[in-house]
Amino acid sequence: DGGITQSPKYLFRKEGQNVTLSCEQNLNHDAMYWYRQDPGQGLRLIYYSQIVNDFQKGDIAEGYSVSREKKESFPLTVTSAQKNPTAFYLCASSIGTTSGETQYFGPGTRLLVL
Amino acid sequence: EDQVTQSPEALRLQEGESSSLNCSYTVSGLRGLFWYRQDPGKGPEFLFTLYSAGEEKEKERLKATLTKKESFLHITAPKPEDSATYLCAVHPGSNYQLIWGAGTKLIIKP
Repeated sequence: DGGITQSPKYLFRKEGQNVTLSCEQNLNHDAMYWYRQDPGQGLRLIYYSQIVNDFQKGDIAEGYSVSREKKESFPLTVTSAQKNPTAFYLCASSIGTTSGETQYFGPGTRLLVL
Repeated sequence: EDQVTQSPEALRLQEGESSSLNCSYTVSGLRGLFWYRQDPGKGPEFLFTLYSAGEEKEKERLKATLTKKESFLHITAPKPEDSATYLCAVHPGSNYQLIWGAGTKLIIKP
């Protein structure tokens, strides 16, 4: 079955620690996205990538970094510079980024600060 | 400024009581409007894409409609398993990013 997987389901971060969230897709999609979801707010875009070895900042990229070395994979690192990382993180993919293409989501990773 | 507003924030219905959720938008051009369902602790599940005013799409007890300013998600004779948060997003003509509403939490009581 084609889909998007995210791991881990829960992640705990200590003060000053960098942590990496995994996202893998086997849908053969070119575009991938990372969103942050906080209670009572709409999804906010952190980074997106339209093609391998290329990515762009979204609205809230500060304190985060990404890489796109393979079409299937788009890991997100939450660095120690992100002072309020507690949130639900969602990875998505779409065929491309042009007109009205549907984004499909993974199951999410909940990040908590110890 | 591109904006998407969903109302109400929460809606409680009895099983079988039909109603509608609203998604109003102000964007510069519209490339698509999307509806998703999200269960607690899970990723959003795609429901519908609408592209132009007057378009309608149906799936089981759900029907989505689109005008030039808003979209409605009509739910007919809902069941408890329809309880979820329903998210609306718009793809404006100005850039690649989707603009998301905050969602409507729907609770169906048996």
